[in-house]
Amino acid sequence: DAKTTQPTSMDCAEGRAANLPCNHSTISGNEYVYWYRQIHSQGPQYIIHGLKNNETNEMASLIITEDRKSSTLILPHATLRDTAVYYCIVIQGGSEKLVFGKGTKLTVNP
Amino acid sequence: GAVVSQHPSRVICKSGTSVKIECRSLDFQATTMFWYRQFPKQSLMLMATSNEGSKATYEQGVEKDKFLINHASLTLSTLTVTSAHPEDSSFYICSARRPGTGYQPQHFGDGTRLSIL
Repeated sequence: DAKTTQPTSMDCAEGRAANLPCNHSTISGNEYVYWYRQIHSQGPQYIIHGLKNNETNEMASLIITEDRKSSTLILPHATLRDTAVYYCIVIQGGSEKLVFGKGTKLTVNP
Repeated sequence: GAVVSQHPSRVICKSGTSVKIECRSLDFQATTMFWYRQFPKQSLMLMATSNEGSKATYEQGVEKDKFLINHASLTLSTLTVTSAHPEDSSFYICSARRPGTGYQPQHFGDGTRLSIL
């Protein structure tokens, strides 16, 4: 599975958009980009996933560059409850095994 | 609501005790479940894949005799930490994926915090 690189930490003001980048320059054609987050002392929570098209759901939007070497998770209106560690994971379609990196610790400030 | 339940949420016990953690899929059958371990300020590390009706598959470096996994039914997997010692103190998390067509995300339990004195 392709390796991902994320910033260690980010801050965002409450109510503003949070844009979390992820670099996956070695991604191959059949690998998907998944985002999960982990709020302190809880299990991870699925956010969104995509292959090459941009995706949006009730939680977030996922923007994948045309060359698929990087992506950005967008939380359009961050709240204090969005403070968490966000993990960008690249795995083959159909694979169940998730390998977590260090993620980005997002702190939403009032 | 939660689709994967873990029990107990917290365990504190003496060194040498064996501890069993349960992971249940609440409204679906899971032929495969996953067990992770997370030390403070670190990321989740996959320990093993639990397979219903067959032996678990362990990741490199994880002792299968230390961490016994049983997946006797399609809704329950158990992880037993045998003869636990303080270095086994950690946050243990399980996950399962709802079967179906198309992509189904992994659902995680809320974790079990194990403290060995």
